Amino acid sequence: VQLVESGGGVVQPGRSLRLSCEVSGFSFSGYALHWVRQAPGGGLEWVALISYDGTTTNYADSVKGRFTISRDNSKDTLFLDMNSLTSEDTAVYFCARAGPLLSPTAADYWGQGTLVTVSS
Amino acid sequence: IVLTQSPGTLSLSPGERATLSCRASQSVSSRYLAWYQQKRGQAPRLLIYGASTRATGIPDRFSGSGSETDFTLTITRLEPEDFAVYYCQQFGNSRLTFGGGTKVEI
Repeated sequence: VQLVESGGGVVQPGRSLRLSCEVSGFSFSGYALHWVRQAPGGGLEWVALISYDGTTTNYADSVKGRFTISRDNSKDTLFLDMNSLTSEDTAVYFCARAGPLLSPTAADYWGQGTLVTVSS
Repeated sequence: IVLTQSPGTLSLSPGERATLSCRASQSVSSRYLAWYQQKRGQAPRLLIYGASTRATGIPDRFSGSGSETDFTLTITRLEPEDFAVYYCQQFGNSRLTFGGGTKVEI
């Protein structure tokens, strides 16, 4: 099982960024997926969840209306579109497989994360 | 639901027993309580799910217990590689919530 995030970098406040998470080693289309972030020196904060088929999504209040989680099951890839970024969005963003046992109630495999820095 | 972990930092020696607490602001289903380990610069690793079930490949020195609002992660006989930050997590209203973490240091 492998999850590899990409797309992080330095972005100005108010701008947008798209993160990707490429997956291998398991049946991508059978699993829900999470995005979780971690501010520098901080704890873990859940960001968003998408169902196995992409029809259901949920967001943390802190990102609702600004971030969009989506997936392309034909390409085994998860996305996070982030708009209206602020300094409070600066964090390492992890994608994670919902599990175990196909349950969304935890995250059993994680990527190594991609750093997003929002700064002018 | 807010998860409060204590202590914030636990200073122990290899071979000692670690007891980490996670208290929820309201009752949590045991099915929805998990624990993670995170080492510096690494992604979190799932240790325990369903409050007491070890994830794949997790040594049996790690155990979880508890119910309703009080949950515990116990590490018997700390190994050098166990010094890390530990987070509890619950699932509710289709979202994950994490505790603030407990750092286990030498």
